Amino acid sequence: GIQVEQSPPDLILQEGANSTLRCNFSDSVNNLQWFHQNPWGQLINLFYIPSGTKQNGRLSATTVATERYSLLYISSSQTTDSGVYFCAVEPYNDYKLSFGAGTTVTVRA
Amino acid sequence: DAGVTQSPTHLIKTRGQQVTLRCSPKSGHDTVSWYQQALGQGPQFIFQYYEEEERQRGNFPDRFSGHQFPNYSSELNVNALLLGDSALYLCASSSQGLNSPLHFGNGTRLTVT
Repeated sequence: GIQVEQSPPDLILQEGANSTLRCNFSDSVNNLQWFHQNPWGQLINLFYIPSGTKQNGRLSATTVATERYSLLYISSSQTTDSGVYFCAVEPYNDYKLSFGAGTTVTVRA
Repeated sequence: DAGVTQSPTHLIKTRGQQVTLRCSPKSGHDTVSWYQQALGQGPQFIFQYYEEEERQRGNFPDRFSGHQFPNYSSELNVNALLLGDSALYLCASSSQGLNSPLHFGNGTRLTVT
């Protein structure tokens, strides 16, 4: 099956800092989504981004499908940004999302 | 607009027992997927239901079964529980068609003792 690799595995930030999370995938995909899982386990969809760039407030994402990677940018980080960020991909002719292992982000005040 | 709702939130069962988890999709969604998330790992796909049929299945044994009802809600059943089945079970819904992001419920945390 498709492989999804996220880096870095862990990230510690000071409040107000910027950061970039990366997701590499091993095959062509029909769609790619970014999720944030808060400390209570709730999984929130951040972006549906099979290609191109999208922005939502302090978060933005870019997917370069031809090179099989996606980036999630967090700007002016806040403590509420803490949690695990997952990248998930859906291969062509497939209905399931395959998740990476996640990047654990800790934002310190 | 109600999101994806799951019940119960927590459940403790004994090895060998059977369990049923329930999920109501987000309003307007017709497709339900179930995922298992072990501690410290990403969610793993169990199966997906669309039009009351199992459309795709992940690498889970037949002890895991499901159902989708005409109102699009869904159940996940696990028979002959093992200690290794302890996990967070997440239900996700989407709308069949293009550009449909996945929306997750808050999950059911199952502990098997």
